[in-house]
Amino acid sequence: EVQLVESGGGLVQPGGSLRLSCAASGFTFSGYWMSWVRQAPGKGLEWVANIKQDGSEKYYVDSVKGRFTISRDNAKNSLYLQMDSLRAEDTAVYSCARGHLTVVVPPVYWGQGTLVTVS
Amino acid sequence: DIQMTQSPSTLSASIGDRVTITCRASQSISGWLAWYQHKPGKAPKLLIYKASSLETGVPSRFSGIGSGTEFTLTISSLQPDDFATYYCQHYNSYYFTFGPGTKVDIK
Repeated sequence: EVQLVESGGGLVQPGGSLRLSCAASGFTFSGYWMSWVRQAPGKGLEWVANIKQDGSEKYYVDSVKGRFTISRDNAKNSLYLQMDSLRAEDTAVYSCARGHLTVVVPPVYWGQGTLVTVS
Repeated sequence: DIQMTQSPSTLSASIGDRVTITCRASQSISGWLAWYQHKPGKAPKLLIYKASSLETGVPSRFSGIGSGTEFTLTISSLQPDDFATYYCQHYNSYYFTFGPGTKVDIK
């Protein structure tokens, strides 16, 4: 069974940093693109970042470029999101999602999310 | 950047109603469009990918059509479990763009 479990959320002051983790199980983690998506309170879904299987390609939404860094450790089946220079508008539930293998498909499997509050 | 819009933003409907949600892209995205159902506190559920392909296990009352810049999601006969927010999503190898969502609530 595919499982994605996020951790690391919490309350942080503006300008602070936080590192989110996503523990993956039930599939060959190193074979898949991975993503972070967030949902601010009362708002819609927003894609944050994608990372290729070997970490060689990373893509970010414009609003987090230069502040957030996506990374992965395939040996630990883990995905990370380092968030620096946090702003109030980064307050959201952050979820990781499993991307595609070779054929491009949208994410099917998502974690339940971890809440980040910047205040 | 490609922008996605959806209409309506909110839709009130009754059990058994036929429901249609429209999604538009700011430029052609071919058929690279997905539809998700999202309920509070739960993970989004993929319904449709490649504009019209039904994800495994999704009831056949859900269908999608479209290409280029205009797409629709139809629920042929609304069921109690279908009250949720629906998002369209443009996807490719590198990034996603979600529409703002359509909330389907009880009339």
